[in-house]
Amino acid sequence: DSGVTQTPKHLITATGQRVTLRCSPRSGDLSVYWYQQSLDQGLQFLIQYYNGEERAKGNILERFSAQQFPDLHSELNLSSLELGDSALYFCASSNGVGTVNEKLFFGSGTQLSVL
Amino acid sequence: AQKVTQAQTEISVVEKEDVTLDCVYETRDTTYYLFWYKQPPSGELVFLIRRNSFDEQNEISGRYSWNFQKSTSSFNFTITASQVVDSAVYFCALSSTGTASKLTFGTGTRLQVTL
Repeated sequence: DSGVTQTPKHLITATGQRVTLRCSPRSGDLSVYWYQQSLDQGLQFLIQYYNGEERAKGNILERFSAQQFPDLHSELNLSSLELGDSALYFCASSNGVGTVNEKLFFGSGTQLSVL
Repeated sequence: AQKVTQAQTEISVVEKEDVTLDCVYETRDTTYYLFWYKQPPSGELVFLIRRNSFDEQNEISGRYSWNFQKSTSSFNFTITASQVVDSAVYFCALSSTGTASKLTFGTGTRLQVTL
């Protein structure tokens, strides 16, 4: 068990809808990362937050947004969902600001299915 | 741009066989870190090892060993005397000073170990 908690584990929704994925980092970790794993794109970095502030951005669509709250949990909001958004969404955390050598601890992921 | 290539999509071995998973990376940065993660059927990503670009010593941890060669930009992973529990998808990943917290993952190698 990595200590990173993601909810829900599975989410089924329809095109055009909006969903929120939730992540609680390991105790003491200040950085939260979101990754998307899809069959065609593989594992891709979406966004990182450090202590409530956006720190780094990857291939995140404009329809997607995230935030990190004062209690350090994070939410990833996906709106106007399309079939291609179906993927496994991972949250990870680390105890630093996101330096090159940091080890990331991943949650079990949220499997999103857009029908 | 940085890139990680895992040319082996799927490998099948019989238990107790040794198996090597290949990883080739590309980066222009001189300081970088290489990682291996395991994704068992349950779905979570489990950290296995981290190696920095200045340390070319091979590492052994139980039945696992890693061979880092800067000359060929490779960071290969060998499982000795494989076991059924080793069945998983294995990802090689790269983090460099240019991208810091953004781990670049390879496409993964699915290892199937049978009795």
